[in-house]
Amino acid sequence: DAGVIQSPRHEVTEMGQEVTLRCKPISGHNSLFWYRQTMMRGLELLIYFNNNVPIDDSGMPEDRFSAKMPNASFSTLKIQPSEPRDSAVYFCASTQDRAYNQPQHFGDGTRLSIL
Amino acid sequence: AQSVTQLDSHVSVSEGTPVLLRCNYSSSYSPSLFWYVQHPNKGLQLLLKYTSAATLVKGINGFEAEFKKSETSFHLTKPSAHMSDAAEYFCVVSTGGFKTIFGAGTRLFVKA
Repeated sequence: DAGVIQSPRHEVTEMGQEVTLRCKPISGHNSLFWYRQTMMRGLELLIYFNNNVPIDDSGMPEDRFSAKMPNASFSTLKIQPSEPRDSAVYFCASTQDRAYNQPQHFGDGTRLSIL
Repeated sequence: AQSVTQLDSHVSVSEGTPVLLRCNYSSSYSPSLFWYVQHPNKGLQLLLKYTSAATLVKGINGFEAEFKKSETSFHLTKPSAHMSDAAEYFCVVSTGGFKTIFGAGTRLFVKA
């Protein structure tokens, strides 16, 4: 059973460039989460989707960040324009349904470095 | 409101000795509680979960945790540490409404 798949695993780009992170959730999971992890702030929830609909985007830091989920098997997180302070590891996670007692399954993350 | 506090940012043990990682939580409702482990350059992996069944929960790799409502604690233990247990551990609380709160993490060091 394939887990959550994220791409790319590493991204290095210059300030001002557009960055797109991709996520394929586990088949049959209908909730998807995007997180950001830094040493200073720990793990932060950016946005989550249920049945492809954004439910809570209150964690999205600013308008430069946007996320989409066009279908049940694909989501993107876009940063435009990117800034050095966006450097972090970005994780995608999915879960089977909206029940609060279901664990989240995490991908291996995208390590983003903005120069 | 709900919150989770991991009482130690770092724990160091010798291989073969017991492990104790402490977690206290606050929740207005009956919570679900989880422990996850994160190895370097990897995502978080579920170790175990508590969802109002047995208060002593057994997880993978010999870990277990005990839910103590009176103490609002959910400490993670392992009788004998192995070098491969060195990682970061996260305590997580979740209640209805799909709000999930992650602790700040505890980094476990295992000395040979």
